[in-house]
Amino acid sequence: GESVGLHLPTLSVQEGDNSIINCAYSNSASDYFIWYKQESGKGPQFIIDIRSNMDKRQGQRVTVLLNKTVKHLSLQIAATQPGDSAVYFCAENMGGAGSYQLTFGKGTKLSVIP
Amino acid sequence: DAGVTQSPTHLIKTRGQHVTLRCSPISGHKSVSWYQQVLGQGPQFIFQYYEKEERGRGNFPDRFSARQFPNYSSELNVNALLLGDSALYLCASSFIRQGGTDTQYFGPGTRLTVL
Repeated sequence: GESVGLHLPTLSVQEGDNSIINCAYSNSASDYFIWYKQESGKGPQFIIDIRSNMDKRQGQRVTVLLNKTVKHLSLQIAATQPGDSAVYFCAENMGGAGSYQLTFGKGTKLSVIP
Repeated sequence: DAGVTQSPTHLIKTRGQHVTLRCSPISGHKSVSWYQQVLGQGPQFIFQYYEKEERGRGNFPDRFSARQFPNYSSELNVNALLLGDSALYLCASSFIRQGGTDTQYFGPGTRLTVL
């Protein structure tokens, strides 16, 4: 079956720098994408989402970019802080409107160097 | 407002036993989904329930079952436990909008260890 994957399994960044986490998806029918942050021993925490009719969405210090042509999703974190250290997952909804079945990638571990 | 709550936090069982995990959604959310997260991997979809009916099922054996109660809380049951069932079991709740797809908010999970 089709799945969501990540380009980089680990990412180390200096505190204050910007971070970019990438994700490739293979199902062109997916219409909703979400980024989650998961700290050790905790459940995934919602960061930001984007629907397929958008290319970019901004939140507080985070931006998600969606490139449907190459089926690529990215999460940009501005001025990365030590508290941003976690595993980041992208997830896609392949079931269309009304479906709540998310498919997750394996995750990227972000380490922030003080 | 309280987030999604799950109980118990941790659980240790032996092979062949049965386990029941519980989840209470965010107030106002009527949809509950269950995911299994094996160490080092992303969560994998097991079930979605809405208005007490199963609305989606992932690729899991019939040993896995779930139900949703009138107050929208949910239980996940796993029979005849195998070592491979050891994982973090996550519950997520959503507010259902007609024709839309809403964010799923996750609980802290139940860590199940099968010996």
